Amino acid sequence: EVQLVESGGGLIQPGGSLRLSCAASGFTVSSTYLSWVRQAPGKGLVWISTIYSGGSTYYADSVKGRFTISRDTSKNTVFLQMSSLRAEDTAVYFCARGAHGGNYVDYWGQGTLVTVSS
Amino acid sequence: QSALTQPASVSGSPGQSITISCTGTSSDVGRYKYVSWYQQRPGEAPKLILFDVSNRPSGVSNRFSGSKSDNTASLTISGLQAEDEAYYYCSSYTISATWVFGAGTELTVL
Repeated sequence: EVQLVESGGGLIQPGGSLRLSCAASGFTVSSTYLSWVRQAPGKGLVWISTIYSGGSTYYADSVKGRFTISRDTSKNTVFLQMSSLRAEDTAVYFCARGAHGGNYVDYWGQGTLVTVSS
Repeated sequence: QSALTQPASVSGSPGQSITISCTGTSSDVGRYKYVSWYQQRPGEAPKLILFDVSNRPSGVSNRFSGSKSDNTASLTISGLQAEDEAYYYCSSYTISATWVFGAGTELTVL
């Protein structure tokens, strides 16, 4: 059974850093692409970043240069390192698996809440 | 990376059909057949209901169907049921090898 479990969220001051983790089970993180999608309170889904099976990475303009996506295949985990956090980064962050050979998300984690506030 | 355009809300009575539109550009919806739709209930993670415009994952009711014309994709839910009440989001792969979501549509079953 495919499972994605996010962790690492919390309250952080503006300008601070945080690392989110997404522990995967039921598949290997290097076999397909993994993405992070966020949802601000009461708002819609916004794609943030993707790491492909080959290791290439992509970012939304809103986080480029501040966020870094990576993976540890030995832990079967994907990470999102977030720095220079702003109030507008406050959101639930979802880890999402890309379908093998497809261009869509087929599994989502339950999300982890990041609150940027002083 | 502007969000795809969806109506903020739609409503229908049980048994009726509704359609939610999703308008993008020639760099995303208009360029690829990689439009997917997600259902999200409050407090829950999104759930995939359609991929590649009109394909249903295993276990998704055949009351959900999709289509695309030029830069606009559509989700149709027929035989509305109370359990269909949720937010619906479209998503498209883009020419930049990224993804873009719609702003979401709230479906109310009257």
